[in-house]
Amino acid sequence: KAGVTQTPRYLIKTRGQQVTLSCSPISGHRSVSWYQQTPGQGLQFLFEYFSETQRNKGNFPGRFSGRQFSNSRSEMNVSTLELGDSALYLCASSPGPTGITEAFFGQGTRLTVV
Amino acid sequence: GQQLNQSPQSMFIQEGEDVSMNCTSSSIFNTWLWYKQDPGEGPVLLIALYKAGELTSNGRLTAQFGITRKDSFLNISASIPSDVGIYFCAGRAAGGTSYGKLTFGQGTILTVHP
Repeated sequence: KAGVTQTPRYLIKTRGQQVTLSCSPISGHRSVSWYQQTPGQGLQFLFEYFSETQRNKGNFPGRFSGRQFSNSRSEMNVSTLELGDSALYLCASSPGPTGITEAFFGQGTRLTVV
Repeated sequence: GQQLNQSPQSMFIQEGEDVSMNCTSSSIFNTWLWYKQDPGEGPVLLIALYKAGELTSNGRLTAQFGITRKDSFLNISASIPSDVGIYFCAGRAAGGTSYGKLTFGQGTILTVHP
């Protein structure tokens, strides 16, 4: 069974641009969550999707958005990039409604904003 | 908001020694997860805990879900050089607006000297 796949692995963007990151969950998993990891703030929850619906959202500005497709694949978008958005963005896949279930992470997308 | 305090922040040990790290929360969790992360990679799930008092092993790793549902510990026995990495605890809230969201500890950096 393939794991969680995130693309691209690395990305360099300039301030003001926008970026779209992609996540394909484990086959059969319907819940996808996104996290931002930085040395200063650690792992911070961005949002979570189940069956194409956003079920929960973290404390990030509206420049951060996401969506989930009918095949459970998810994308997150960051508009008007700022230097502080440089981070490792991680996607986590869970089997079903996010209650008492494990979360499996992809390798992440390393975003650098210059 | 929820806070997870993970300790210690870092550990320097000799190969063969046992390691113990723990997390305490200000809120009740219904799931505790322990992850290991290597540089530039996503976190890898080590152990998942679902019930208060539950004790679960995975090879040389043992973790327990605290009785109060506000704490968990991870033990590594007979450490080896490949145990080097950052270990994270994560908890899923029991309800309210944080339902389903994973809250992460700050991480424990483990260094093993041969």
